[in-house]
Amino acid sequence: DGGITQSPKYLFRKEGQNVTLSCEQNLNHDAMYWYRQDPGQGLRLIYYSQIVNDFQKGDIAEGYSVSREKKESFPLTVTSAQKNPTAFYLCASSIGGENTGELFFGEGSRLTVL
Amino acid sequence: AQSVTQLGSHVSVSEGALVLLRCNYSSSVPPYLFWYVQYPNQGLQLLLKYTSAATLVKGINGFEAEFKKSETSFHLTKPSAHMSDAAEYFCAVRGTYKYIFGTGTRLKVLA
Repeated sequence: DGGITQSPKYLFRKEGQNVTLSCEQNLNHDAMYWYRQDPGQGLRLIYYSQIVNDFQKGDIAEGYSVSREKKESFPLTVTSAQKNPTAFYLCASSIGGENTGELFFGEGSRLTVL
Repeated sequence: AQSVTQLGSHVSVSEGALVLLRCNYSSSVPPYLFWYVQYPNQGLQLLLKYTSAATLVKGINGFEAEFKKSETSFHLTKPSAHMSDAAEYFCAVRGTYKYIFGTGTRLKVLA
């Protein structure tokens, strides 16, 4: 079945450490996104990519980095510069371009900083 | 710029009662609107979407939403709530190459 796979599901990190969250999709979608979810704040966009080797900052990109070397993969690195990284992270994809279709989501990764 | 506002961060209904979750949007162009549902510690699942066809949109699990341009609204309804409807619901609008989400409404269903 086609879908989006995020790993790990749960991750614990010590302060000062970088951590990378994996996101892989087999939907053949061009566009991929990373959102951060905190209670009562909805989903906030971190980074998005419309095509391989290109990506744009979202509303809260500080302290995060991404790469898009392959169409199916869009990993997110949470760096030590992110002041409050404990959150639920969601990866999503869409057909992209001018298409007005919906986002498809992975199951999420919960990061806890100890 | 596009935006959405969800009125009511928490809504409680009795089992069998009408569910009404409110969403208002702001968009300078014809909007493309979505409702998603999220269960605890899971990703979001699409309930329904409006893409400028019929103004009354039917989705999964008995939910529907009506697009009202004059009121800039896209409220989600279900005639009869079920215990399994307890979840968090998000309204979203498609912007330029990205999607903007509301802050969510947590639905509680009382037995």
